[in-house]
Amino acid sequence: EPEVTQTPSHQVTQMGQEVILRCVPISNHLYFYWYRQILGQKVEFLVSFYNNEISEKSEIFDDQFSVERPDGSNFTLKIRSTKLEDSAMYFCASSPLTNTEAFFGQGTRLTVV
Amino acid sequence: DAKTTQPTSMDCAEGRAANLPCNHSTISGNEYVYWYRQIHSQGPQYIIHGLKNNETNEMASLIITEDRKSSTLILPHATLRDTAVYYCIVTYGNKLVFGAGTILRVKS
Repeated sequence: EPEVTQTPSHQVTQMGQEVILRCVPISNHLYFYWYRQILGQKVEFLVSFYNNEISEKSEIFDDQFSVERPDGSNFTLKIRSTKLEDSAMYFCASSPLTNTEAFFGQGTRLTVV
Repeated sequence: DAKTTQPTSMDCAEGRAANLPCNHSTISGNEYVYWYRQIHSQGPQYIIHGLKNNETNEMASLIITEDRKSSTLILPHATLRDTAVYYCIVTYGNKLVFGAGTILRVKS
């Protein structure tokens, strides 16, 4: 069964460093997303991406965040200068069409120290 | 997006049906009802969704009231592996807004 793959599963980074989280969405899907979940809190929407551009973003997704689909298969989330409060589980998801199910990856646990 | 209201937690005996309610009284005519679940800290898992009609798949059934102001997710024969947080989400488009969900505990 096709699945969304995220790497790495766990990343530790120093405050102020740049980090790139990587995702391989399901191959024929057109919509891509990033969500995050701070430990013990709700899953929060960050950004959606369609047709090589951001279609929607949340207030959390400020200038420190960027997304890219560099090669038609990978979908990345970059955090330019990490803060302690960026520590969270980051989930990538993809869906084939609008108003259909989204498939989530198993997440990358980001720890900023 | 319409707000949903779910019970904080529910218990269910293994092998019995689990019925998880959701209120969404402010739902708009074009908004879908989605159910996802999250086991421990894994990625959310899609269960089922619907617009107006009741839906059934291999995992669950979704019953939507005629006025669409509430719905029920039914897991027909709950197992221990169904212990998870279940999220009812109402939305149009692809952005999912997760609430606190219902913690379902399946007990042997």
